[in-house]
Amino acid sequence: SQQGEEDPQALSIQEGENATMNCSYKTSINNLQWYRQNSGRGLVHLILIRSNEREKHSGRLRVTLDTSKKSSSLLITASRAADTASYFCATRTMQGNKLVFGAGTILRVKS
Amino acid sequence: DTGVSQDPRHKITKRGQNVTFRCDPISEHNRLYWYRQTLGQGPEFLTYFQNEAQLEKSRLLSDRFSAERPKGSFSTLEIQRTEQGDSAMYLCASSPVLGRGHNEQFFGPGTRLTVL
Repeated sequence: SQQGEEDPQALSIQEGENATMNCSYKTSINNLQWYRQNSGRGLVHLILIRSNEREKHSGRLRVTLDTSKKSSSLLITASRAADTASYFCATRTMQGNKLVFGAGTILRVKS
Repeated sequence: DTGVSQDPRHKITKRGQNVTFRCDPISEHNRLYWYRQTLGQGPEFLTYFQNEAQLEKSRLLSDRFSAERPKGSFSTLEIQRTEQGDSAMYLCASSPVLGRGHNEQFFGPGTRLTVL
């Protein structure tokens, strides 16, 4: 079964607005990653945050991690139509190398 | 630079038939993973290899499923006696053991299986 939940399930915004997606997970983790999936390119890694980090930035992406609440958020600033995709958080536990994915958030950016 | 490739991209089969999918990872990547994704859900882990050794298998991987990576390069996933519930996208990913990118996984385009 999935590791956790993502919220919202779907999000529709105007180009230029910010988009925030949240992810919760259940077990202790080594790191948490965010992936994007669209029909054209498949799953693509966006950003990784380790369990001892609280915030990380990469370009227009900002991810936060709260291990006490077992939750993370992904902020995409100044969204573009090309950001339209499904976004998944995935956790890697302390043991093993598999990723456990959430159910994803579908983001639609309207131009 | 070639990424992860999967073949075929689409497969339609009748219930009860056997199917086999192939994954070619990025050439220098030692680790290879198989996931299954159904509509509206995130990928679910099936199994993973480090070189030719299969190190972990999910409980999702029933005895009808078998995966191999005989020479530590490409991998095959076989589903025997397919059922309609096997209809899904089968994703392959790879990663290096060490160095740049070892914490992330690089995914292929997937093989979409439809069981009639």
